[in-house]
Order: sequence, then structure tokens, then C-alpha cells
Amino acid sequence: KNEVEQSPQNLTAQEGEFITINCSYSVGISALHWLQQHPGGGIVSLFMLSSGKKKHGRLIATINIQEKHSSLHITASHPRDSAVYICAVIVDSNYQLIWGAGTKLIIKP
Amino acid sequence: NAGVTQTPKFRVLKTGQSMTLLCAQDMNHEYMYWYRQDPGMGLRLIHYSVGEGTTAKGEVPDGYNVSRLKKQNFLLGLESAAPSQTSVYFCASSYWGRVVGTGMNTEAFFGQGTRLTVV
Repeated sequence: KNEVEQSPQNLTAQEGEFITINCSYSVGISALHWLQQHPGGGIVSLFMLSSGKKKHGRLIATINIQEKHSSLHITASHPRDSAVYICAVIVDSNYQLIWGAGTKLIIKP
Repeated sequence: NAGVTQTPKFRVLKTGQSMTLLCAQDMNHEYMYWYRQDPGMGLRLIHYSVGEGTTAKGEVPDGYNVSRLKKQNFLLGLESAAPSQTSVYFCASSYWGRVVGTGMNTEAFFGQGTRLTVV
């Protein structure tokens, strides 16, 4: 079993829909990253969370440390949000990063 | 402020050739990482460094060597390239709060990637 599981693996939605991508993990963590990788390949760090919730524009990230679960939400989705979204956790014992496999999001106009 | 810069961006190697990928960061970060990204496998850690002069093995270190002679640079070397090393390589850096004892966390910054093909 992978230590970081993302769901869904692929998601196609219409422009304007509310999007949720989930990340569950099985290790003790000190923080969790959400990153975005566009078709061109570049990776951008969206959020780093250790508790609660963060919001940036139309993006919202939440984390529940007790349940070992995080969600990334996109409100009023737009085709430019089409990308792969990656969850990564920082293991609290050795500060290494463990990566999820990513969720490929396609937003259709 | 360039952030994290990787060179080269693209490279084609013949089997058995050697090369070095350079990662440079100008943010005074302690931690630097080399990852490879393969279709369907996500990012896998090759090697990492927690400070100048230190290196450590990650998940998939075989066939690679690294050096961190200067804090701002993290080099990834392939001594004898193999087709299995065809991949996209990403460098990242971060300034972990633990290093300065705050326990807080900071962002990781990524380079733009190096697409390596070994034929």
C-alpha cells in the first residue's frame, strides 16, 4: 500500500464546477504540500499545510491531521486549471518527502 | 531573484555516456533534492542534501551520484547513462523550519525540469 494515496487519479469536469481532489496518507507527518504541474512540465508549489485550512484565490486546501487526510478544492473551475495536482507529505521522523501519484484534472470549456 | 535554476533543460545521451545536471538556488536554502518523474510513477527522490557538504540517498539512488560542495549548488551525475534513466529530472530546494529550530515549515521551490533521453 502506498503511503500517500490520491483520488481520483483522473478527473474531467465542466468549466465552473467545484472540484475536490483528495489525499490520504498513512505516516506521521509534519506538513503536507499541494503542487501543480502544468502540461509544459513546470511544478509550482500551491500550499504547504500543517493544520487547518489555507485559501489562495479560487484554491482552498484543508488538512485533518487526526484523520490523515487533506483535500484541495477549486471553486469556479476554469480550463486553465487543467493540470496534474500532486500531494506530498513531509515525514515527521526524517523530514523526507513522500509523493502521491498525482491527479490529472481536465476542465472543459 | 532566479529561484531554482536547472541546467540543461534538454539532453540526449548515448548509452554509457556521462553527464552532470546542475541545480542552483539563490534563496540560501539548506535542503536540496533531485527527483525523477516517469509516466504513471509520480516523483521519486533520487538523492537529497540537508546542507553544504552533505548528501543522502533517496528512494532510487542507483546509477546516480550527487555532490553539494557549495550551499547554492546541487549536482546530479550519471557516470554511465542507461536507457532506464530516460526521464524528466526535477531539482527542488527548501528551507525547513527544523533547521532553525522553529518547527514551522516552508515551501519547496522547484526547477523547471531537465528532459533526459538515453538512447
